[in-house]
Amino acid sequence: DQQVKQNSPSLSVQEGRISILNCDYTNSMFDYFLWYKKYPAEGPTFLISISSIKDKNEDGRFTVFLNKSAKHLSLHIVPSQPGDSAVYFCAASTMYNNNDMRFGAGTRLTVKP
Amino acid sequence: NAGVTQTPKFQVLKTGQSMTLQCAQDMNHNSMYWYRQDPGMGLRLIYYSASEGTTDKGEVPNGYNVSRLNKREFSLRLESAAPSQTSVYFCASSESLAGVQFFGPGTRLTVL
Repeated sequence: DQQVKQNSPSLSVQEGRISILNCDYTNSMFDYFLWYKKYPAEGPTFLISISSIKDKNEDGRFTVFLNKSAKHLSLHIVPSQPGDSAVYFCAASTMYNNNDMRFGAGTRLTVKP
Repeated sequence: NAGVTQTPKFQVLKTGQSMTLQCAQDMNHNSMYWYRQDPGMGLRLIYYSASEGTTDKGEVPNGYNVSRLNKREFSLRLESAAPSQTSVYFCASSESLAGVQFFGPGTRLTVL
């Protein structure tokens, strides 16, 4: 029972354009959402988060949007750079509890020069 | 600071063999975690330790045991490995159960 789904296994964009990565969740109790980024042979690293009291959070080139009614969040990267090429994982939890965090399967982003 | 370190990086076992995966963090974090990642699936929590001296089951604990040796170290043991335990294992740590997790580089385990 995958409570967090990333339906696009891969995404390819041109350098300088926008990358949009999508994530859907089924558990309405989730109230804290995160994106992690993973390079090959490394562990995931935290990128950005959002709590359910907000619908948008920005950090430099990265913006996460949350649509609670649709149980959907997205990560926007503008402008995309070749160094952004990685696997991006969406994650969700309740009340900031890491012990019930659920991860999506990941989307592999390739940014072409 | 090394962050979160894991040993070994790679391991091949035969069915029924046992082994221990080691994890250490140098960030003085209270909470530590073990995850597995399988193809087409997200990371799944095996066990976690909210603080030194405590351990609890996560989403997929069967076939595993853990030891929080001290504040720095958290080991994962497979007593009798099975092919279904072929996976990439990640250790992570955070200041608390509510904190951002920092992950190690992973151990790729193959059970034949």
